[in-house]
This record gives sequence, C-alpha cells and structure tokens, in this order.
Amino acid sequence: AQSVTQLGSHVSVSEGALVLLRCNYSSSVPPYLFWYVQYPNQGLQLLLKYTSAATLVKGINGFEAEFKKSETSFHLTKPSAHMSDAAEYFCAVSDQGNQGGKLIFGQGTELSVKP
Amino acid sequence: EAGVTQFPSHSVIEKGQTVTLRCDPISGHDNLYWYRRVMGKEIKFLLHFVKESKQDESGMPNNRFLAERTGGTYSTLKVQPAELEDSGVYFCASSPWTGRNEKLFFGSGTQLSVL
Repeated sequence: AQSVTQLGSHVSVSEGALVLLRCNYSSSVPPYLFWYVQYPNQGLQLLLKYTSAATLVKGINGFEAEFKKSETSFHLTKPSAHMSDAAEYFCAVSDQGNQGGKLIFGQGTELSVKP
Repeated sequence: EAGVTQFPSHSVIEKGQTVTLRCDPISGHDNLYWYRRVMGKEIKFLLHFVKESKQDESGMPNNRFLAERTGGTYSTLKVQPAELEDSGVYFCASSPWTGRNEKLFFGSGTQLSVL
C-alpha cells in the first residue's frame, strides 16, 4: 500500500529564510507525487507534481521539490520565504492504476513566516 | 471560469441529525471526488464519480454516508444520522479527465461540526 509521511506538523521560518518541508513516501510502483497548498478559507491548490519526467520539479510561487528515489523523499523547498507563503502544505501520492485523482495525503505541515 | 463550489461553508448540527453537503464542480468536468479531513489527521479519499456513476466508493466510512450525483452535474453527500466522529472538513474536487496525469481542482470545503 502507498503512504505519505510529512515530518513536522508545524514549521516556522523568518521572512527571507529557506523553506524546507519534508515528505517521505512509500510505494511499490513508481510514484506520482504532489504538493498542494491551502491558504486560509481557500481550497487546495496544486503547487507542483512529479510524474517521472525530471527529478527536480519547479512549481508556482518559487517552490520546487526534488524526487530522491534512494531516500524515498520528495521534500519541498523555497530559497526565500515570503509572508504570503504562510499556509498549510500537503504532500500526496497518486494511488495505483488509472485513478489519478485518488490521492493519498500526508498529515499536512503548517508553515508560519515571521517578519 | 467558476471554480468548484461547495456549500454550506460551515454546518453545525447535533448528533443524530441529518446534514447534506453540496458540491458544484467546474462545468464540463466528468470526474468528481469527495475527500474528508478529520481534525488533526490527513485528508482521506471518500469516493469518486465519473459523470453520474460511482467509480470508487471504497473510502466511504459506513452506510450513514450517501453520495449522489444525479444527472452528472452537482453532487450531494448526506450524513444520516450524524455522529460526533463525522466532524471535519469535507472537500470536493473535480477534474476533466482521469489517469495518472489528472489535475484536480478543489473547492474550499465544508466545515462540519457535530455536537
């Protein structure tokens, strides 16, 4: 069975500092991996996805994630945090088969950005 | 283009009552998904419609939950009778196609509180 583990339910960084949100996955098949973000009172929005084309994936708002098969990781990074990045971030893996919309989510990481 | 719309945004009911949540997907999207996030836990898949047919309802917790999508447009999720453990945020998502490269568009969710 596939699963996703996000390390750290809360992460706090200073504005301008590096953002690193950790995600490890478990999958018996080559995974499709996603990062979603939820801003207050909004729906989940896709930040980026890995679909085996390239191990370093660039997303919106300056975020990127690197797929590391040897470490079964898909950590999300941003070089310089902005106040507007404060939100909850979810890592997810697509279930096997053709149901691309059937996602298995991690528990979420809430990012706080201090001025 | 209108996004995925869910209402109500909040619902507070007493244990034993009935609640119906509604989701209006993006026009033309055949795929509709329901997810739920119980407080402090991960977002979990409930079920998947393709047009008006239930493609996968493996995530439905028990027979107190009934989802419908008459005519393949909007969907409703009824909880009858509601229990305390049903409290959480219910998300709806839609997509125009299935497959591993599927892109989901999420609504902002319905916060359900069962007292």
